[in-house]
Amino acid sequence: GAVVSQHPSRVICKSGTSVKIECRSLDFQATTMFWYRQFPKQSLMLMATSNEGSKATYEQGVEKDKFLINHASLTLSTLTVTSAHPEDSSFYICSAIKSWGTEAFFGQGTRLTVV
Amino acid sequence: QQPVQSPQAVILREGEDAVINCSSSKALYSVHWYRQKHGEAPVFLMILLKGGEQKGHEKISASFNEKKQQSSLYLTASQLSYSGTYFCGTEPGNDYKLSFGAGTTVTVRA
Repeated sequence: GAVVSQHPSRVICKSGTSVKIECRSLDFQATTMFWYRQFPKQSLMLMATSNEGSKATYEQGVEKDKFLINHASLTLSTLTVTSAHPEDSSFYICSAIKSWGTEAFFGQGTRLTVV
Repeated sequence: QQPVQSPQAVILREGEDAVINCSSSKALYSVHWYRQKHGEAPVFLMILLKGGEQKGHEKISASFNEKKQQSSLYLTASQLSYSGTYFCGTEPGNDYKLSFGAGTTVTVRA
């Protein structure tokens, strides 16, 4: 199986600050990564598609200036939550697709709490 | 649009069977099934790519009826380790963008 590592697993930040979450594919190259958020007892909602070397594409209703995505290499995508507010508190999960692959491999998720 | 999953929850005794359904209002390229334990990331179970395709993973299998835009996940002779929330992810086009159902919480008791 493929391994996707997400860091940090938990973060608590003050309202108004920014938080960066990293998603790394450890043993494969991923031209495409996805960012999801999940509220308690709810499903995963796709936020954006991150493509290596190009701008991310955001789903409807997701603020691109608030959730900055950078896919700098074939093994790393980052999500920065800017000017975080308590309503941004959620479980953020990334997934990565192997080049020529079919299934998505998920990171272990990041639980963000904004106080 | 998110696929619709049913039932929302099911409680089983070890050894019992269960079926989880997933239906989409859109034509589908593939259906993915995942299981998520509390506080953890979803774990991939299987992907079904073709209409009428069936796959198995231990005693967990699934079918995909492309015409009906439906998929079902079958838990056979359930084990305690099968407890968790099962999500189907549907992919309308060949772009890996998954829409997830609301999930089915499975509790297996001894």
